[in-house]
Amino acid sequence: AQTVTQSQPEMSVQEAETVTLSCTYDTSENNYYLFWYKQPPSRQMILVIRQEAYKQQNATENRFSVNFQKAAKSFSLKISDSQLGDTAMYFCAFMKLAGSGNTGKLIFGQGTTLQVKP
Amino acid sequence: NAGVTQTPKFQVLKTGQSMTLQCAQDMNHEYMSWYRQDPGMGLRLIHYSVGAGITDQGEVPNGYNVSRSTTEDFPLRLLSAAPSQTSVYFCASTTLRGTSGQSRYNEQFFGPGTRLTVL
Repeated sequence: AQTVTQSQPEMSVQEAETVTLSCTYDTSENNYYLFWYKQPPSRQMILVIRQEAYKQQNATENRFSVNFQKAAKSFSLKISDSQLGDTAMYFCAFMKLAGSGNTGKLIFGQGTTLQVKP
Repeated sequence: NAGVTQTPKFQVLKTGQSMTLQCAQDMNHEYMSWYRQDPGMGLRLIHYSVGAGITDQGEVPNGYNVSRSTTEDFPLRLLSAAPSQTSVYFCASTTLRGTSGQSRYNEQFFGPGTRLTVL
């Protein structure tokens, strides 16, 4: 069975600074996706970034980037130039692939609450 | 497109009552699922469906029933509510079609959630 662990329940960062959220996972699968989701106070789940396990290049989306270390089973999220609107809970998630594609099943970590301070 | 919709947004039940959480999507997604979110535990999969007429259990299925009579709708039923079912419930959908490289491949679309309290 796969597990996802986020060891930082809460973090804070000053506006315009950089912060890194940690995520580790355990799996015996070789083909999978990793995701970071953002959940602001509105409760809506928003996809921030995704990484395909077979790609060595780290994914980036504007101010968001990941450090994917497949051998170490680590998938951290770096937020650069933090903004007040980044205040939210962030979830790391794992999804294995089966056969030709998407299984649809997400396994989530416990979440990290990030507060961006002015 | 409305995306994924859920009703109600809030609900209070008494122990032993039954109710149905509604979920609908208008994106023709074959895959739909229900998660519950509890503090310190992230989101956990309750039930899922890969198409009309096909459902299966997730990680925490006890106390919940689902059915999938159409592609669009995937209701979640609580037959006899218990305080342990107090949680926030999310419905999600995605397509199992497509290939890596397509911009929304593997993206799960979530509904706005239902906060359920069982007294």
